[in-house]
Amino acid sequence: NAGVTQTPKFRVLKTGQSMTLLCAQDMNHEYMYWYRQDPGMGLRLIHYSVGEGTTAKGEVPDGYNVSRLKKQNFLLGLESAAPSQTSVYFCASTDGQPQHFGDGTRLSIL
Amino acid sequence: AQSVTQLDSQVPVFEEAPVELRCNYSSSVSVYLFWYVQYPNQGLQLLLKYLSGSTLVKGINGFEAEFNKSQTSFHLRKPSVHISDTAEYFCAVSEGDSGGSNYKLTFGKGTLLTVNP
Repeated sequence: NAGVTQTPKFRVLKTGQSMTLLCAQDMNHEYMYWYRQDPGMGLRLIHYSVGEGTTAKGEVPDGYNVSRLKKQNFLLGLESAAPSQTSVYFCASTDGQPQHFGDGTRLSIL
Repeated sequence: AQSVTQLDSQVPVFEEAPVELRCNYSSSVSVYLFWYVQYPNQGLQLLLKYLSGSTLVKGINGFEAEFNKSQTSFHLRKPSVHISDTAEYFCAVSEGDSGGSNYKLTFGKGTLLTVNP
């Protein structure tokens, strides 16, 4: 039972570099989400999708883009990474309640 | 807009002692409430949820929570903690299905529970 799988698990980038985080779910869920977790801040919603081909902004969308070309995949992109984007990123999916989370991607921007 | 306040950022307790982690929320509509647990360097695991029905909700690992609508609270309790309960606990709220909430969650900032021998 894979559930929600995030790749990569760890990554170090230099300021200005770009990268894409991949989230894949095998539960046929319509809804998918990207959160970031920072110390003392809890989890904050970056972007989300209510179905294939749709995306919407969450609480902290600036500096990120997303795409949902296939129902099972939700990609999070950083076009020009900044040190403020150093964080742990979590993907989640659901078809109702509750959300199911991946194990996270730890991203460091130097 | 919804908000979630976890009143204690850190809670140290001794093994076998009872514990209560406090959570208050604000919302103008009906809500669904959740507690998630995060063990060190791991993802989030659902501990319990309140969607409707009985206001006392039982979850995994002996935890329970009580939904109090008048107090807008959803406090988490365990009568006797173990060393293995050491983790960060997050309270989260989602609007009820009506109104197109899209099942989005608003999280509290977390409470670090440390169980000492």
